[in-house]
Formats: sequence, structure tokens, C-alpha cells
Amino acid sequence: DAGVTQSPTHLIKTRGQQVTLRCSPKSGHDTVSWYQQALGQGPQFIFQYYEEEERQRGNFPDRFSGHQFPNYSSELNVNALLLGDSALYLCASSLAGTSTDTQYFGPGTRLTVL
Amino acid sequence: EDQVTQSPEALRLQEGESSSLNCSYTVSGLRGLFWYRQDPGKGPEFLFTLYSAGEEKEKERLKATLTKKESFLHITAPKPEDSATYLCAATGNQFYFGTGTSLTVIP
Repeated sequence: DAGVTQSPTHLIKTRGQQVTLRCSPKSGHDTVSWYQQALGQGPQFIFQYYEEEERQRGNFPDRFSGHQFPNYSSELNVNALLLGDSALYLCASSLAGTSTDTQYFGPGTRLTVL
Repeated sequence: EDQVTQSPEALRLQEGESSSLNCSYTVSGLRGLFWYRQDPGKGPEFLFTLYSAGEEKEKERLKATLTKKESFLHITAPKPEDSATYLCAATGNQFYFGTGTSLTVIP
């Protein structure tokens, strides 16, 4: 049973560039959430996608956008990168409509902005 | 404001020395309380979900408990391989994570 996968593992960009991160959910899951985790901090919720729509959004600017595809995989796009965007970006998947909200995380993508 | 606070920030234990980690929360309409383990540079690994006050769950040397305002993760006779950051999260309309407790178990 494949767990949550993310690509790429590491990424180095310069200020002002744009980046796309990818996520495939755990088999059988239909909901994908994205988080930003700065060094020494807990994950911060960016947004959640379900049925190809953004269902919820945390306190992140419009530079952060996403997409969910019919096969439930998802992308996170960040425009006009800032040094402060350097972080571990985590994708988590879950199954909507169940009594549990348990989210299962991928290994993350380490983004470094120079 | 919805938030989750974990204490202590860091904890060093001798192998076999039991202790507890604390997670206090103020989340409107709490739907669940979650514990995760995170190793350096990796994604969080799911440990437990608790839904109602008084609930307890166990897995090997770990036991999680829940009250109306806080949760505890009890670690009994820890081993060096239990060294990691333990994250607590509470869900209302979204997941709110604490900053974690970094646990080091010394042989």
C-alpha cells in the first residue's frame, strides 16, 4: 500500500522565481492538505483540496496556490519566492466523509530560496 | 484564537526513565486530537487520534490521554530509538499544530 509521495525531495531557487511541488495521496484517499514547516516550528496549514476545489485556506498570501487533479494528486505553486519561503513543505492526505480526520504525511520537499 | 501549545520544548531522559509530554489546546469545536512523531528532515508519522475526554490509547511504550483542555503523551521506559520530535495537533475547522517537544533518550 503506497503511502503519500512527494517530489522533488530537495529544491533550490532564487528570490523572485516560481516553484511547483507535487504530491500523490495515500491509496484510497481523496483529500490533500499542504503545510509549511520552518526549522524548529510546527507545520502551518496552507490549504486543503477536495474534489478539485480549495476547501479551506490558512493564513498564507495569494502567492501560494494549488491544484488537485482528477486522480486526487495535487500541486502547490509558489510565485515570487522570498527568502522566508525557505522551509519543508509537507503534503498530507486523508479520506473525506469518515468519522476520522487523520492525516497521513509525505516525506516533504525541502525548499531553499537564495 | 485557536492554538496548541506543547511543553516542554526539549526533554532529555536516561534510557528507562519514564516521563510525560504535555499538549494544551484552545480549539473551537474540537473534532480530534492527534499525536505525531517526526524524525529530522522527515514528514510526521501518525501515532494516535483521540476524540473525547477520558479516552486513552497505547502503542508499545507510548500512551496518549485526553482531557477537555489538554493531552498527555506518556513514555514508559524509553529507549534511544524513541528520540524524535513529538508533535501534537488539534482539529476544529483545520489542523492546528504545536511546535513540538524534542525528546532525546540517552543510553
